Amino acid sequence: DAGVIQSPRHEVTEMGQEVTLRCKPISGHDYLFWYRQTMMRGLELLIYFNNNVPIDDSGMPEDRFSAKMPNASFSTLKIQPSEPRDSAVYFCASSIRGRSGANVLTFGAGSRLTVL
Amino acid sequence: QKEVEQNSGPLSVPEGAIASLNCTYSDRGSQSFFWYRQYSGKSPELIMFIYSNGDKEDGRFTAQLNKASQYVSLLIRDSQPSDSATYLCAVGPSREKLTFGTGTRLTIIP
Repeated sequence: DAGVIQSPRHEVTEMGQEVTLRCKPISGHDYLFWYRQTMMRGLELLIYFNNNVPIDDSGMPEDRFSAKMPNASFSTLKIQPSEPRDSAVYFCASSIRGRSGANVLTFGAGSRLTVL
Repeated sequence: QKEVEQNSGPLSVPEGAIASLNCTYSDRGSQSFFWYRQYSGKSPELIMFIYSNGDKEDGRFTAQLNKASQYVSLLIRDSQPSDSATYLCAVGPSREKLTFGTGTRLTIIP
């Protein structure tokens, strides 16, 4: 099991450019989450999907952010246009409800975004 | 006001001692409580979860939940240098929609 795979690991871009972050969840997991982590605000839930369907996007900061999950093995988070305040580490996580009912998140390694 | 509050630390504990990490939350409707550990530059990883009032033990770790007082804590017994990390408390009305605290940085002193 390769775990949750994110790409790119690091992205440096200029303000106004489009950024696309990618995620491959663990096979068999039916939930996928996008989080953003900054020193000031900590880890924030942006959006999550269940069986490829967006369930809650209330954490998406504004219309510049969009996320898609076209199939069970791939998701993207897009920022267009990017701004310096978007600089953060973006984590993708996937999960499946176990027999205990717990929905334990397995995080990817993260994508560190720097917008100049 | 932050919905999930943690003391940012750093919290320094001698090796072999008990480390006590605390977390308070504001939403009385919260039903799910998780503790994650994050090493510097790495992604969070689950330590344990708790749903019912009381204590839950898993090896050297004990989670304590008090819904009436709206706090959840994590005790680490026989602290080891490898326990040095940031500990994130996550709370939510469901097991999917979690709010994370900003974390407590723990340092175990050999």
